[in-house]
Parts: sequence; structure tokens; C-alpha cells
Amino acid sequence: GQSLEQPSEVTAVEGAIVQINCTYQTSGFYGLSWYQQHDGGAPTFLSYNALDGLEETGRFSSFLSRSDSYGYLLLQELQMKDSASYFCVAGSGNTPLVFGKGTRLSVIA
Amino acid sequence: GAGVSQSPRYKVTKRGQDVALRCDPISGHVSLYWYRQALGQGPEFLTYFNYEAQQDKSGLPNDRFSAERPEGSISTLTIQRTEQRDSAMYRCASSRDSNEKLFFGSGTQLSVL
Repeated sequence: GQSLEQPSEVTAVEGAIVQINCTYQTSGFYGLSWYQQHDGGAPTFLSYNALDGLEETGRFSSFLSRSDSYGYLLLQELQMKDSASYFCVAGSGNTPLVFGKGTRLSVIA
Repeated sequence: GAGVSQSPRYKVTKRGQDVALRCDPISGHVSLYWYRQALGQGPEFLTYFNYEAQQDKSGLPNDRFSAERPEGSISTLTIQRTEQRDSAMYRCASSRDSNEKLFFGSGTQLSVL
């Protein structure tokens, strides 16, 4: 099976940088995705890492280390609208996309 | 269509009734997923299809739950003899191919009284 661990809550100040970590255990792993979900909304795709290293998309970056079964999502120049839940998702060839329990990010002034 | 469409948006039913939830994926998307999400929790995998073939139904809670995608496009999730514990948001997502990024619909909020 698959298991993913991420912190349940994170609080950060507007304009700051925050890192949300994710560790995973899955067989046949091939990539780690991140999704954002605002209260009352649907999850939306943020980023995907198939290879080790950093992927950058605007204010958001995502990192993967296959050897450590670890990844993180980095959010820079935090804005109030970034307050949401963030989910890591481990993909593998044999199992469907399973979501972690999510990290609730609260951005405060 | 332009996005994933789910209907109905809200469904209120009495315990013991059957319900059918519909999902219309993005045109051309091969894979279709069903998830269930409780308030404050992550999406819980139920089942998924590639084309019309059901690839994995290991997440379906029990045999009251079933899903089909007969023509490889629209899918229906059916819950028979509903129970109060079935109350949740049911989300459908589609992707171009297996394990590519998911596009979610707005969900169906099911309430079983």
C-alpha cells in the first residue's frame, strides 16, 4: 500500500516563506504531486516532480529526493489567498493516486 | 466539456434509498477517478477507470457501492441502501492518462437523513 505523512497545520506570516514537508512509502514510486484546496473548493493541481531536485512555478517550488522518500512544497512571498489545504500525492505504476491527509496553511498578517 | 461536470451538486436522501451520482469528465480524458472527502480530510480514493475498464475498486467501502463507465466517458457512482455514514462530498476527477494531473469537478454533497 501507500502511506504519506505531512504536518496537519502550518501558520506563517504574510510575505514570508513556508515549507510543507511530505514523506512517503510506496512501492513502484515514480512521482510526487501537490494539490491546493481552498475551503469549499475542489483540489487543484500545483506541481509534479518525477526526478530529484527542485521544480519552480512562480512563487511555488516543489522538491523531491527519491533516496530519502521525501519531498516538500515551498511557498514564497506568502499572500493571504494562499491560506488553504495542501496535499501531497504519491504516484506509482500499480496503484491509483492516493492523497495524503493534507496540511492546513494559515497565513496571518 | 471545458471542465469536469458532476451532478447533482447536492443530494439529500432518506436512509435506505439508492442514489446515483454522475460525472462527465473532460473530453478525451482516459482516466476517471472517484474520491470521497469528509470535512477537514483529504480525498479518499474509491475507484478509477481507464476508458471503460475499472482498474481498481479497492477503495469502495462495501458492496453497496458500485461504479461504471460503460462507454469510456460519463461515469456513474451508485450507492444502494444508503446509510447516514455515507454522507460526504463525492468528487470525480479525470486525467489525460493514468497518474497524470487530475482535474476535479465541483463534487456532489450527499446527505443521508
